[in-house]
Amino acid sequence: EPEVTQTPSHQVTQMGQEVILRCVPISNHLYFYWYRQILGQKVEFLVSFYNNEISEKSEIFDDQFSVERPDGSNFTLKIRSTKLEDSAMYFCASTRTGGSYEQYFGPGTRLTVT
Amino acid sequence: GENVEQHPSTLSVQEGDSAVIKCTYSDSASNYFPWYKQELGKRPQLIIDIRSNVGEKKDQRIAVTLNKTAKHFSLHITETQPEDSAVYFCAARPLSNAGNMLTFGGGTRLMVKP
Repeated sequence: EPEVTQTPSHQVTQMGQEVILRCVPISNHLYFYWYRQILGQKVEFLVSFYNNEISEKSEIFDDQFSVERPDGSNFTLKIRSTKLEDSAMYFCASTRTGGSYEQYFGPGTRLTVT
Repeated sequence: GENVEQHPSTLSVQEGDSAVIKCTYSDSASNYFPWYKQELGKRPQLIIDIRSNVGEKKDQRIAVTLNKTAKHFSLHITETQPEDSAVYFCAARPLSNAGNMLTFGGGTRLMVKP
């Protein structure tokens, strides 16, 4: 059964550095998402992406964040000038079509900002 | 925006007993309600979902009920087994959003004692 994959599984970075988190959504899916989960807290929506553009974003997704689909398979989240409070698990998810609401999550990237 | 509250935050049951987790939502226009199971260090896994035009859905030992008037929905697990132990998250998708954003509840840690 196809699954969303993410790399790396764990990223350690210093405050102020830029990181890029990578995701490969399920191949025939058209909608892509990023969520984050601070340790012990709820999953929070960051952004959704469809047809090569952002379709919705939360208040968390400010100018520090950007997303890109650089090719036909990858979907990336870039975090510029990381802060300590950016430390969290970042999940990528994908949905097949607009009429299908099911979101399938990747295994996550644990980002640790020191 | 949508707000989802989930209760209880922890639930301990004896193997074989039933477990019920409840969520309330604020946006009456929400039309899709998934439940995710998250084992320690793993991805959220979609286990069951329900759309607003249905009152109940069942899949083997798990079922979800939806009360649109009261704006609450519940997860029911019967004949619980130790492998059901995990954190369960409910979520809601507001109809108004274009990006399929999910708003999650705070999670319920279910412990099934053998």
